Amino acid sequence: DADVTQTPRNRITKTGKRIMLECSQTKGHDRMYWYRQDPGLGLRLIYYSFDVKDINKGEISDGYSVSRQAQAKFSLSLESAIPNQTALYFCATSDLRGDWLYFGPGTRLTVT
Amino acid sequence: ILNVEQSPQSLHVQEGDSTNFTCSFPSSNFYALHWYRWETAKSPEALFVMTLNGDEKKKGRISATLNTKEGYSYLYIKGSQPEDSATYLCASDSNDYKLSFGAGTTVTVRA
Repeated sequence: DADVTQTPRNRITKTGKRIMLECSQTKGHDRMYWYRQDPGLGLRLIYYSFDVKDINKGEISDGYSVSRQAQAKFSLSLESAIPNQTALYFCATSDLRGDWLYFGPGTRLTVT
Repeated sequence: ILNVEQSPQSLHVQEGDSTNFTCSFPSSNFYALHWYRWETAKSPEALFVMTLNGDEKKKGRISATLNTKEGYSYLYIKGSQPEDSATYLCASDSNDYKLSFGAGTTVTVRA
């Protein structure tokens, strides 16, 4: 079984709809991240969390919110989806600073 | 926001040949440098992490160097194989404990 899972894997939604992307991990890591990938750009950090009570904004948090329900679960919400949020979204986890990231399989989101 | 740059954007290499490519990053407040391998339709997979204090973690046969003073890293692939075809992402951990990624170098190994 995969250590980091994301649901859904693909989603098409309409402008203005609320959508939630979910991430679960079995690695026992405290640190979790949400990244967005657009063609020609590097992975951009949306939000990150270093433990259940710690939530921090990344580079591009506008239009997004997150919830850290437990050590193993970190959800990303788009309150009112817009077309320029069409992208590939990755969840990742890490153990300590200086350790590498473990990525989930990604969620491809299309907002029409 | 850090500006991590990778060059070239893409390259082709003949099977069996060696190649390398560059990642440049701001050297101030540097903590660690990461390299990831990303194949189409898969998720990025870690290859290296190297920290300022010299700690290093690596996976596979690919090697990397790090110059923290001038802010660059090279990733080397010796004896390229078709399975080395992928996009290689560099990421710098500097300010605020956040990783900033470059746009990647796409490597195509020709048989």
